[in-house]
Amino acid sequence: GENVEQHPSTLSVQEGDSAVIKCTYSDSASNYFPWYKQELGKGPQLIIDIRSNVGEKKDQRIAVTLNKTAKHFSLHITETQPEDSAVYFCAASYGNNRLAFGKGNQVVVIP
Amino acid sequence: GAGVSQSPRYKVAKRGQDVALRCDPISGHVSLFWYQQALGQGPEFLTYFQNEAQLDKSGLPSDRFFAERPEGSVSTLKIQRTQQEDSAVYLCASSARQGRFTEAFFGQGTRLTVV
Repeated sequence: GENVEQHPSTLSVQEGDSAVIKCTYSDSASNYFPWYKQELGKGPQLIIDIRSNVGEKKDQRIAVTLNKTAKHFSLHITETQPEDSAVYFCAASYGNNRLAFGKGNQVVVIP
Repeated sequence: GAGVSQSPRYKVAKRGQDVALRCDPISGHVSLFWYQQALGQGPEFLTYFQNEAQLDKSGLPSDRFFAERPEGSVSTLKIQRTQQEDSAVYLCASSARQGRFTEAFFGQGTRLTVV
């Protein structure tokens, strides 16, 4: 099955700096890669996604890049703010209807 | 509704009890998913519905787990004879389309604690 790995597990950044989270996946058939943000006690919130026919996608301070050959994709958050502190999950589509999630990255933005 | 709604938010069950967890998806969403999230882990796929049809239940961990969506909207995840290892957050998600993978929106989850 699909195996998704995230690193680093915890990331601390100064407010205003950039944060980068990297994920790798194993199934070359995966073609959809969403990122979710999860705050304590809440469900995962979709923040950005990318499909396999695109190399990069941006939405304001958030961007995602995909390297299909190397089977890795990354989340970039610029000008980090305290409200960006959360757990971030990457996921890869698996089969026709599943998402395989990584274990999550705790991002801490230090004011 | 505005988003995916799950109830109850918290459930404490004694070992051996049956529980039922409810999911109200976003109105009009065809696809509905259940995931299980253990503490400190990412969500793990349980089952998938397209309208009222359960097309994939391969992620259900045992035959004590059962899900239904009889009218193609509200779904219920039932766990019989709960065990301590069933303690987790159960997440429901829905998406608008079928076939090609598209955005899935999650509810806030039900935290199940089996004592």
